[in-house]
Amino acid sequence: GESVGLHLPTLSVQEGDNSIINCAYSNSASDYFIWYKQESGKGPQFIIDIRSNMDKRQGQRVTVLLNKTVKHLSLQIAATQPGDSAVYFCAENLGNNAGNMLTFGGGTRLMVKP
Amino acid sequence: EAQVTQNPRYLITVTGKKLTVTCSQNMNHEYMSWYRQDPGLGLRQIYYSMNVEVTDKGDVPEGYKVSRKEKRNFPLILESPSPNQTSLYFCASSFSGDGAYEQYFGPGTRLTVT
Repeated sequence: GESVGLHLPTLSVQEGDNSIINCAYSNSASDYFIWYKQESGKGPQFIIDIRSNMDKRQGQRVTVLLNKTVKHLSLQIAATQPGDSAVYFCAENLGNNAGNMLTFGGGTRLMVKP
Repeated sequence: EAQVTQNPRYLITVTGKKLTVTCSQNMNHEYMSWYRQDPGLGLRQIYYSMNVEVTDKGDVPEGYKVSRKEKRNFPLILESPSPNQTSLYFCASSFSGDGAYEQYFGPGTRLTVT
């Protein structure tokens, strides 16, 4: 598969444990945030999003938390499975005149040990 | 099936030989975008298009051209490729309008310029 990053921060977790992946964003004006998952050899795939008027949003096995005070975003994955092994990216939209433009973080590699 | 397709998936070429990477989406999305992905640098936007005949530069447009003559297609053109354009390229699309929308990514094109 394709290599998406040779020097990414890596999080290693045991299968069945919960995972927390963190992201610091840069612009206090950002009003929309997305988490993407990228498996080897594939394009990024949408996981969950959140708008700046919320501080928490839940999906199936995933929760995104937004702390605007410290410009921090986190993705929590419950009961992590081997299929969750991938690189995870956060992305922000600057709002107003930014349209659909997204600015991506560098990514975190999640490795799930069986 | 809703999807973004890219061709070719893999390409090895020589410096200076013009090439085009095609991108097509079948979701009637207004917004389309090209990114390149390099180790340690994450996803960086090259060009984007808000609609037919409307294109604009992203963060790293030098050495690239795009066109948007039809809503579904957004080809990326390298008039005179150079080795520093060796990278993994992704096309993405989304709906446009108020707020930001989830971007759907293609499978990627691995380009090597020798």
